[in-house]
Amino acid sequence: KQEVTQIPAALSVPEGENLVLNCSFTDSAIYNLQWFRQDPGKGLTSLLLIQSSQREQTSGRLNASLDKSSGRSTLYIAASQPGDSATYLCAVVTGAGSYQLTFGKGTKLSVIP
Amino acid sequence: EAQVTQNPRYLITVTGKKLTVTCSQNMNHEYMSWYRQDPGLGLRQIYYSMNVEVTDKGDVPEGYKVSRKEKRNFPLILESPSPNQTSLYFCASRRGTVKTTDTQYFGPGTRLTVL
Repeated sequence: KQEVTQIPAALSVPEGENLVLNCSFTDSAIYNLQWFRQDPGKGLTSLLLIQSSQREQTSGRLNASLDKSSGRSTLYIAASQPGDSATYLCAVVTGAGSYQLTFGKGTKLSVIP
Repeated sequence: EAQVTQNPRYLITVTGKKLTVTCSQNMNHEYMSWYRQDPGLGLRQIYYSMNVEVTDKGDVPEGYKVSRKEKRNFPLILESPSPNQTSLYFCASRRGTVKTTDTQYFGPGTRLTVL
């Protein structure tokens, strides 16, 4: 059964710093990996999706990498801002047919002004 | 605006009183699913649907029912709610069931409390 782990569980950084969030998964037979952002009291917003054949994806100040063989992904946030404060969730799609998303428990990021 | 809507957003009920949480998407998506989110356990899938009249169990289906009579709607039914079903519920949809490039869109969540 696929398991997704995110480290650290919480992170606090001063504004302007670059930071890295980590995600690991136990079954490398994934179809894709997604990073989501969750704000308190709100739903999940998709940030980046990396297909299993890709190594990385970029959107603005965000860069996500995927090393499928080692079961790891990182989300790099450049020049962090207070508005980046949220919980970041990593999820992988495995399982032919259901394309079920398996989520990590998230990293709660606080960017201090 | 493309979106997934859920109603109600907040619900407090008592044990055993049947309830339905509605979910609707306006993107003509084939795939829809329900998740629950609990502290320390993360998001877990309850049920999913690949298309109209096609539904299947996720990881934690016990105590829940779903139906998919129309493509846009995917209600979650709790026939006899119990306190362990107190949770934050999310509905999600995705365009298709084959392409790995399809992202999932999530509703705003329904916070359910069962007393």
